[in-house]
Amino acid sequence: QVQLVQSGAEVKKPGSSVKVSCKASGGDFSNYRVNWVRQAPGQGLEWMGGIVPIFRTADYAQKFQGRVTITADESTSTAYMELSSLRSDDTAVYFCAKASGYHGSGGYYTVEGDIWGQGTLVTVSS
Amino acid sequence: EIVLTQSPDTLSLSPGERATLSCRASDSFSGSYLVWFQQKPGQAPRLLIYGASNRATGIPDRFSGSGSGTDFTLTISRLEPEDFAVYYCHQYGNSPRTFGQGTKLQIK
Repeated sequence: QVQLVQSGAEVKKPGSSVKVSCKASGGDFSNYRVNWVRQAPGQGLEWMGGIVPIFRTADYAQKFQGRVTITADESTSTAYMELSSLRSDDTAVYFCAKASGYHGSGGYYTVEGDIWGQGTLVTVSS
Repeated sequence: EIVLTQSPDTLSLSPGERATLSCRASDSFSGSYLVWFQQKPGQAPRLLIYGASNRATGIPDRFSGSGSGTDFTLTISRLEPEDFAVYYCHQYGNSPRTFGQGTKLQIK
């Protein structure tokens, strides 16, 4: 059974950076996309960016361009999300979510968001 | 950017009733890249439906999805107490990936 385990909660000062890890156990880590999604308190889900580890190149939501860096280490099956220049409105739970392959009615699907980490609360406060 | 608009924002129903949740897109896209998630308080989202109409592993058959183009629907045929949660649609066929704002399904 594939599992994603994220690093623990963080409290950061405005202007600093945070790096959250997401370690996969089981399954194929290298060939399936890992996305990062955040959820501010009481709000909905917001896509930040993602990476397919074997390709090494990440893509990002325009909102976070220049502030977020997503990387992956195939040797440890771990993905990372680093967010810099933190502001109070970056306070949120940050999730990693991994894609998987499914055989459905229309053939083979690469399904994003099949497996989720438990979430990491990042609190930005002075 | 494809904007996904879910309706209603809140749906109040009783156990045993049928729930119909809508997800409308600002532009047409392939339903192969449309998924539905369920999220309960304090938990990560859980995949329910992929490819617009396929149930994910372990999802009860009271959950079904349908639609194409710009209009997608999640139906829960007979609500169980554990189904009361927030539901999100999500597309990943176009960049940037986007989520609907969510529909909160609450007990009447």
